[in-house]
Amino acid sequence: SAVISQKPSRDICQRGTSLTIQCQVDSQVTMMFWYRQQPGQSLTLIATANQGSEATYESGFVIDKFPISRPNLTFSTLTVSNMSPEDSSIYLCSVVFAEETQYFGPGTRLLVL
Amino acid sequence: KQEVTQIPAALSVPEGENLVLNCSFTDSAIYNLQWFRQDPGKGLTSLLLIQSSQREQTSGRLNASLDKSSGRSTLYIAASQPGDSATYLCALPSQGGSEKLVFGKGTKLTVNP
Repeated sequence: SAVISQKPSRDICQRGTSLTIQCQVDSQVTMMFWYRQQPGQSLTLIATANQGSEATYESGFVIDKFPISRPNLTFSTLTVSNMSPEDSSIYLCSVVFAEETQYFGPGTRLLVL
Repeated sequence: KQEVTQIPAALSVPEGENLVLNCSFTDSAIYNLQWFRQDPGKGLTSLLLIQSSQREQTSGRLNASLDKSSGRSTLYIAASQPGDSATYLCALPSQGGSEKLVFGKGTKLTVNP
């Protein structure tokens, strides 16, 4: 199993600003995933973060809006840039281990005013 | 493109009742299927992972079944307790053995004492 922590746990931000979310895993993993859960909606994958290469973004998500860093095998950051109220969501990171079970962090609740 | 549907969207039952949550998917060529639990303000907790070669998986009072041919999975909860109150999410790989997951919108379960 894995222990995943995220910072901050929640934040209230003004539109036009940016917020960087951190994800820390207690074990080394090849891939880390970032998901978004908008109010009343299901989780949607934003991007896959690989160590040593650029993140791979899903349709509808772009690097300029959601830049991702992956400096080592236990850490990743997701930045939500130039925020608008539509970015108000829960942002979650996840990892997969050998047994294929996906583990999620506690999430970051973001409210943009 | 894999699509996941969960019904009902919400369910309220008295304590002690046995219940079934449903998940349907459009592409039957799946690799595995996971059931998660999400508590308010918290991340996701993996409950059961069922491989495509399996018909069911059990963990305590939880039993997940998988019928690939009909594109359905069910999560059976026996002798429900108030502590089971949460949103239950079904998720599958977006394609093949991908670790990228596609989620249903979930079923919000309330177990009344």
